[in-house]
Amino acid sequence: NAGVTQTPKFQVLKTGQSMTLQCAQDMNHNSMYWYRQDPGMGLRLIYYSASEGTTDKGEVPNGYNVSRLNKREFSLRLESAAPSQTSVYFCASRTGQGNHEQYFGPGTRLTVT
Amino acid sequence: GENVEQHPSTLSVQEGDSAVIKCTYSDSASNYFPWYKQELGKGPQLIIDIRSNVGEKKDQRIAVTLNKTAKHFSLHITETQPEDSAVYFCAASTSGSSNTGKLIFGQGTTLQVKP
Repeated sequence: NAGVTQTPKFQVLKTGQSMTLQCAQDMNHNSMYWYRQDPGMGLRLIYYSASEGTTDKGEVPNGYNVSRLNKREFSLRLESAAPSQTSVYFCASRTGQGNHEQYFGPGTRLTVT
Repeated sequence: GENVEQHPSTLSVQEGDSAVIKCTYSDSASNYFPWYKQELGKGPQLIIDIRSNVGEKKDQRIAVTLNKTAKHFSLHITETQPEDSAVYFCAASTSGSSNTGKLIFGQGTTLQVKP
């Protein structure tokens, strides 16, 4: 049982390049989330998927898109990367059904130059 | 929308002392308050949580207290050990988020426990 996995672990992009961050969970969880973590700002929600087939914006969605590919996988896409998107990105999942605990992946450290 | 403020941003204690981290929230409808611990290079992990119908909850050396009137909640760690050194985040969730599970996080506190 791997929990929540994220790929890649590290990535360097040039301004304007695009990329997709992958996330998968093997816990049969209904809800999945993408956060970014910046120094002094905690974790901020980018997008979430409360259940398979639905996605919604979080606090900081601009510049990102998401796809809930199936119940296991939730990807985050940067269409045209900007230096302001340099951050550590975390994916999380939650079983739902009244259980609030979120399980986090190990993170992806992204640098945009 | 909900806003969560966390203090202090850094905290240094001697091994064996107690540590207290405080958070305030703005939305009186918030009813779920978790605390996450993040070790270096890892994702956050839930260590304790409390719901708004409870004033205090303990789990071994850690405890959380909630004051709904003042809209603040605190994490207490007693008999601190070097392995408690990490970044701690508080968060809040409203009843309207019970299906979505949306959490609003505080800014984080870096706790250093000196041997």
